Amino acid sequence: GAGVSQTPSNKVTEKGKYVELRCDPISGHTALYWYRQSLGQGPEFLIYFQGTGAADDSGLPNDRFFAVRPEGSVSTLKIQRTERGDSAVYLCASGASGKNEQFFGPGTRLTVL
Amino acid sequence: QKEVEQNSGPLSVPEGAIASLNCTYSDRGSQSFFWYRQYSGKSPELIMFIYSNGDKEDGRFTAQLNKASQYVSLLIRDSQPSDSATYLCAVNRPGSARQLTFGSGTQLTVLP
Repeated sequence: GAGVSQTPSNKVTEKGKYVELRCDPISGHTALYWYRQSLGQGPEFLIYFQGTGAADDSGLPNDRFFAVRPEGSVSTLKIQRTERGDSAVYLCASGASGKNEQFFGPGTRLTVL
Repeated sequence: QKEVEQNSGPLSVPEGAIASLNCTYSDRGSQSFFWYRQYSGKSPELIMFIYSNGDKEDGRFTAQLNKASQYVSLLIRDSQPSDSATYLCAVNRPGSARQLTFGSGTQLTVLP
């Protein structure tokens, strides 16, 4: 497809469980970003990848959150021991090399019961 | 003080009017400024970006940047009901061209 894709679109889990959220960026985009958005707020930065490496992970809230991008394309955001406060829409964005513009995918709505 | 501030609205304008959306930011080192449109239940869509002082026009949209006043605005000419959405202002964090800080958004309603 032409845009960023994210799976699943919705994820409901129980407190304490582990979840993985997947992002497939726009073809050819080297930069990949994860944000999360709570109701009524703007997206909040989590992590930025340039290629395979995390260039900036300063937005990850704690060590329960981890993200990988092993082949420089698809990325997975991993959340351990989920808490109710983790409930949000997790957004992935990608960008072309040398460009600052970021293009968002449809998001994954995570609900922790 | 919030890093990126927007009037939450709601802002209502009649169809055909000019909608003016405003955003202020706190850090003088920011260099990149973006406007995203977000329809209810959807993800943000990039509509404008501006990196230099002055105006930048794209169709019905004009972005205005004043770094001295730490102010960026978005004008929508000939507003249409389909422009009704939340508009998010985003600013890069100084020292990181890629980490964006978003405002909470302004909800715009264009009345037919």
